[in-house]
Amino acid sequence: AQSVTQLDSQVPVFEEAPVELRCNYSSSVSVYLFWYVQYPNQGLQLLLKYLSGSTLVKGINGFEAEFNKSQTSFHLRKPSVHISDTAEYFCAVSVYSSASKIIFGSGTRLSIRP
Amino acid sequence: GAVVSQHPSWVICKSGTSVKIECRSLDFQATTMFWYRQFPKQSLMLMATSNEGSKATYEQGVEKDKFLINHASLTLSTLTVTSAHPEDSSFYICSAPPGDRSPTEAFFGQGTRLTVV
Repeated sequence: AQSVTQLDSQVPVFEEAPVELRCNYSSSVSVYLFWYVQYPNQGLQLLLKYLSGSTLVKGINGFEAEFNKSQTSFHLRKPSVHISDTAEYFCAVSVYSSASKIIFGSGTRLSIRP
Repeated sequence: GAVVSQHPSWVICKSGTSVKIECRSLDFQATTMFWYRQFPKQSLMLMATSNEGSKATYEQGVEKDKFLINHASLTLSTLTVTSAHPEDSSFYICSAPPGDRSPTEAFFGQGTRLTVV
């Protein structure tokens, strides 16, 4: 079975400061990795995904994430956040054999202070 | 990109009544769709896998008689919450993989907020 752990339930950050949202996963088989963002009362939007190849993945809105197989981590980063980045962020995994069945982490609420 | 549409986006119903939520893939066929439930300030929990032309597969702890899933066509899956109670109030989201177009990804509907009073 697969599991995803997001270590921080809430991350407060000042505007224009850098941010890192942490994610660790557990799986006995190879997985795909995702970060999704959810704005209040809305569905999910894909930020970025890691399938294979380069371990540094760039996504939308200036976000990037790095896959670290030895540490089973997939942390999300942004060098300078904006008020509009205030949202809930979910790390997720899926396995190769059922790539669309996605397992989510518990989420991290990113709040940006002016 | 691929679009998944969910309807309604919000619904309020009386306790004891049933509510049907629709999930449509607008520009692709989906033999499989997934239903998730999200309680306030919590993550999305997979409820079931909807399979076109066959029975849905439910995750452990999900009551199949309470959450009826029908996948009658390649573009439509429905989730019916039967005899709804206040504890069923939640945000329900569906997803569908666009198959050959992008086998490693799933596209999500905009969600349905159900409030049972």
